Amino acid sequence: AQTVTQSQPEMSVQEAETVTLSCTYDTSESDYYLFWYKQPPSRQMILVIRQEAYKQQNATENRFSVNFQKAAKSFSLKISDSQLGDAAMYFCAYSPGGSTLGRLYFGRGTQLTVWP
Amino acid sequence: SQTIHQWPATLVQPVGSPLSLECTVEGTSNPNLYWYRQAAGRGLQLLFYSVGIGQISSEVPQNLSASRPQDRQFILSSKKLLLSDSGFYLCAWSVQTVHYEQYFGPGTRLTVT
Repeated sequence: AQTVTQSQPEMSVQEAETVTLSCTYDTSESDYYLFWYKQPPSRQMILVIRQEAYKQQNATENRFSVNFQKAAKSFSLKISDSQLGDAAMYFCAYSPGGSTLGRLYFGRGTQLTVWP
Repeated sequence: SQTIHQWPATLVQPVGSPLSLECTVEGTSNPNLYWYRQAAGRGLQLLFYSVGIGQISSEVPQNLSASRPQDRQFILSSKKLLLSDSGFYLCAWSVQTVHYEQYFGPGTRLTVT
């Protein structure tokens, strides 16, 4: 069974600083996808970044980057130059490959607070 | 561009009453459609998914059901709500060839009293 664990229920960061959110997952598959989603107070889920397991290069999207350690089954999100608008709940998610159904398995989330 | 709508945005229903939540997608054809529930303080749990009209698969046994009467319409229903059905319900869609990348609607906050 696939499980996603986010061990930090809450994190905080000063504006303009860098913060790293942790995520580990458990799977026996070799082909899969990992995601970080952001849920602001509006509650709408927004895709932040995606990583394909077969890619060794870590994904980046502007100020957001990941540290993907496949052997350790670790997938952390780094937010650089944090902004007030980054404050949200962040969810790590896993999707198995080899399927057209796109099942997503989510962690419990990390609440990020950004201080001015 | 593609958009996804959900309604109602909020709903308060008594225990034992029926439920109907609607989700529609615009700007794409033959999407995969998903219903998720988010309980307080938890991540999202997949409830149902659909790869086509009339094709529904359930992930979690419960008193909820789903239907897909049209290509871009997905409905979540219940005949009799339970207190445990309270939560935030999110609909999502994906392109079938890029199934792993899902886009979420604004959600419905359901409170069962």
